[in-house]
Amino acid sequence: ETGVTQTPRHLVMGMTNKKSLKCEQHLGHNAMYWYKQSAKKPLELMFVYSLEERVENNSVPSRFSPECPNSSHLFLHLHTLQPEDSALYLCASSQDPGLNTGELFFGEGSRLTVL
Amino acid sequence: QKEVEQNSGPLSVPEGAIASLNCTYSDRVSQSFFWYRQYSGKSPELIMSIYSNGDKEDGRFTAQLNKASQYVSLLIRDSQPSDSATYLCAVNNARNEKLTFGTGTRLTIIP
Repeated sequence: ETGVTQTPRHLVMGMTNKKSLKCEQHLGHNAMYWYKQSAKKPLELMFVYSLEERVENNSVPSRFSPECPNSSHLFLHLHTLQPEDSALYLCASSQDPGLNTGELFFGEGSRLTVL
Repeated sequence: QKEVEQNSGPLSVPEGAIASLNCTYSDRVSQSFFWYRQYSGKSPELIMSIYSNGDKEDGRFTAQLNKASQYVSLLIRDSQPSDSATYLCAVNNARNEKLTFGTGTRLTIIP
């Protein structure tokens, strides 16, 4: 496996379900990110972890709960979501937590549909 | 005012012509500027970065930056159908070291 891998690629859940998105990076990077991508909207930064420590929580509702057990793995736990949370959730990693190079390596994304 | 603004398109360009993609940003202290390409159903990938005023060329791609006008552009010469994608402009805010993305411009190269 190389790069950034995300599972599942597609997820359909009801508003009362609990599910988790998983991300793994094989690049030896120091920072990992969750982004939300909705149609006709800019990529929205949700969470940033640098060396396993959360450094950014961009006013994300508590129904989204991140977890970073080590520098290679990142989870996004989902519970009691709303239909407007339906979107593509992208995981990314970078060598430089300060993003001076701006180089993010994205996973293929998890397409979430909330019914 | 949006922090990073792009025309959403779609922008249609004949094969072999020059495609010109534009981006403006609101924060004057921004220092680093990036173009990501996102094919349909795929994730974004970095294709160009530019840090100082002027032009930066990489193959068929040229990034142009004008900090006084708060404007960054991407030119694609000899456009190919494989260039059809959404192009995302991203700006690094030096204050909080965050990348802010535009909504993207959808480019279609017509054979």
